[in-house]
Amino acid sequence: KAGVTQTPRYLIKTRGQQVTLSCSPISGHRSVSWYQQTPGQGLQFLFEYFSETQRNKGNFPGRFSGRQFSNSRSEMNVSTLELGDSALYLCASSRGGIDQETQYFGPGTRLLVL
Amino acid sequence: GIQVEQSPPDLILQEGANSTLRCNFSDSVNNLQWFHQNPWGQLINLFYIPSGTKQNGRLSATTVATERYSLLYISSSQTTDSGVYFCAAYGGATNKLIFGTGTLLAVQP
Repeated sequence: KAGVTQTPRYLIKTRGQQVTLSCSPISGHRSVSWYQQTPGQGLQFLFEYFSETQRNKGNFPGRFSGRQFSNSRSEMNVSTLELGDSALYLCASSRGGIDQETQYFGPGTRLLVL
Repeated sequence: GIQVEQSPPDLILQEGANSTLRCNFSDSVNNLQWFHQNPWGQLINLFYIPSGTKQNGRLSATTVATERYSLLYISSSQTTDSGVYFCAAYGGATNKLIFGTGTLLAVQP
């Protein structure tokens, strides 16, 4: 069974631009969650989607948004990029949800904002 | 919300040594997981262990939910065990998966 895939793997943007990251979960998994990892803040939860609905949300500004499609693929969007948005963005999938079972992570997207 | 603390923050071992990593959490949990992040950033799930003990090869984990801690044991460490080990918890009043700050493990040949 194929693992979680994320595209693109690397991205360079400039301040003020917007970016869209994509995550394809493991086949059969309905929950996709997103995390931001930075050296200063560590791993922080962004949001979780389950069956196309946002089920949980972390403490991030409204510039961070996401959605999930009927095939469970998910995208997250960051608008008006700031230097501090430079980070490794990880998505994870599971069958039932982050409260119920182990999360399987993708390789991540490294975003650099200049 | 729930707080997750890990210790030690850094650990250097010689190949073949054993180690114990600790994770303390501040509230009751529904979900407690251990992950290994390799040098390329990939997070690999090691254990889903909200309570009890599990073993997988040279690794084992124990969670004592009533005392709010979990332990990860690594035996006969190898250089490929190097990386950062995270525990993550879901529970309390917070509908988020909260990660600890990690233990950076370096295994020297």
